[in-house]
Amino acid sequence: AIRMTQSPSSLSASTGDRVTITCRASQGISSYLAWYQQKPGKAPKLLIYAASTLQSGVPSRFSGSGSGTDFTLTISCLQSEDFATYYCQQYYSYPPITFGGGTKVEIK
Amino acid sequence: EVQLVESGGGLVQPGRSLRLSCAASGFTFDDYAMHWVRQAPGKGLEWVSGISWNSGSIGYADSVKGRFTISRDNAKNSLYLQMNSLRAEDTALYYCAKESDGGEYFQHWGQGTLVTVSS
Repeated sequence: AIRMTQSPSSLSASTGDRVTITCRASQGISSYLAWYQQKPGKAPKLLIYAASTLQSGVPSRFSGSGSGTDFTLTISCLQSEDFATYYCQQYYSYPPITFGGGTKVEIK
Repeated sequence: EVQLVESGGGLVQPGRSLRLSCAASGFTFDDYAMHWVRQAPGKGLEWVSGISWNSGSIGYADSVKGRFTISRDNAKNSLYLQMNSLRAEDTALYYCAKESDGGEYFQHWGQGTLVTVSS
């Protein structure tokens, strides 16, 4: 199975900061990568698919990049509603689908 | 509007069985593959199982293979997960998720049903 490694596992940031989260695949996955945001007590929300395509309705301050094994999710100007946990997910090799371990974005 | 509503969770003893259901509405159910994803308390997301639109292709995580069985009834717009030989490590919130048009990622999720395996 392809292993997805996210870093950092948590970070503290302030409103207005630029935040970057990294996801690394244990083997090449082309651009078959999705990013999700999850808030406590809620189901995950799809932010980005195909590594860089913004899901409809998601604010443009979110962006994704990368291909192959290395990917990033960037929040250009952190808003209060962005404090949450973020997960990457590969869908290049199925089954199984695999998720990264998550990155918790907390208020500094 | 797509709606996915899970049910069937609860407290069960180790070694026993439980069947989860997911009622789907707001889309043409038999056009889409469906999946189960779980999340243990305070932990990350783990894909459990997926089934194609016609049940012709089924996949499982290694952690549940041989114990869990996914199925669907397109006439009833329903997805199921039969869980046998349950273990403490199966304790989690189980989400039903609809596969997206572009591949095995998930725009639509249910609210989850909690399974607790404990004596």
